[in-house]
Amino acid sequence: QKEVEQDPGPLSVPEGAIVSLNCTYSNSAFQYFMWYRQYSRKGPELLMYTYSSGNKEDGRFTAQVDKSSKYISLFIRDSQPSDSATYLCAMSASNNDMRFGAGTRLTVKP
Amino acid sequence: DAGVIQSPRHEVTEMGQEVTLRCKPISGHDYLFWYRQTMMRGLELLIYFNNNVPIDDSGMPEDRFSAKMPNASFSTLKIQPSEPRDSAVYFCASRSGTGTYGYTFGSGTRLTVV
Repeated sequence: QKEVEQDPGPLSVPEGAIVSLNCTYSNSAFQYFMWYRQYSRKGPELLMYTYSSGNKEDGRFTAQVDKSSKYISLFIRDSQPSDSATYLCAMSASNNDMRFGAGTRLTVKP
Repeated sequence: DAGVIQSPRHEVTEMGQEVTLRCKPISGHDYLFWYRQTMMRGLELLIYFNNNVPIDDSGMPEDRFSAKMPNASFSTLKIQPSEPRDSAVYFCASRSGTGTYGYTFGSGTRLTVV
């Protein structure tokens, strides 16, 4: 079993839809949780981060962490074509050994 | 700041040749990470440095891989000899040791070994 599991998709939604992206993990020591966005042929860029459990909101993006279930989510409201990218979850026990999910490829159609 | 700078952007080499990838982290960042990304295995941590000292190299796949950080503004990842299965995108990332979460990634080096 991989430490971090993420459905690679692909996921295709119409513009304006709410997108839900999820990851599960097995290491209970993880306490740093992040979401990265990666456009084609670019490096990942940090989108959201959460330390320990709870929710965090930033504009159209909401990140949720449920440590009891070992489950994290990213919600994108009012999705736009410019949101089309691969979304990677990442997590770490120490913020120094970040483990990444496989990434979910998202396409938002106009 | 120009961000994390990697060179070259693309590298095509023949099997058995030595390959050197270069990285300049963001000024003031004291952690530097090397990752490898493939379709099959995703993003894998190879090695990371703190204040120019290698801390964890358990992700380095074989002795053919080596990494150095001679100063705070430069790091190299070397593969000698290279093999076709080393073909991947290699990313360098850095972060500050205080008050920040997450890493800033470079644009990567796409390595093809033929």
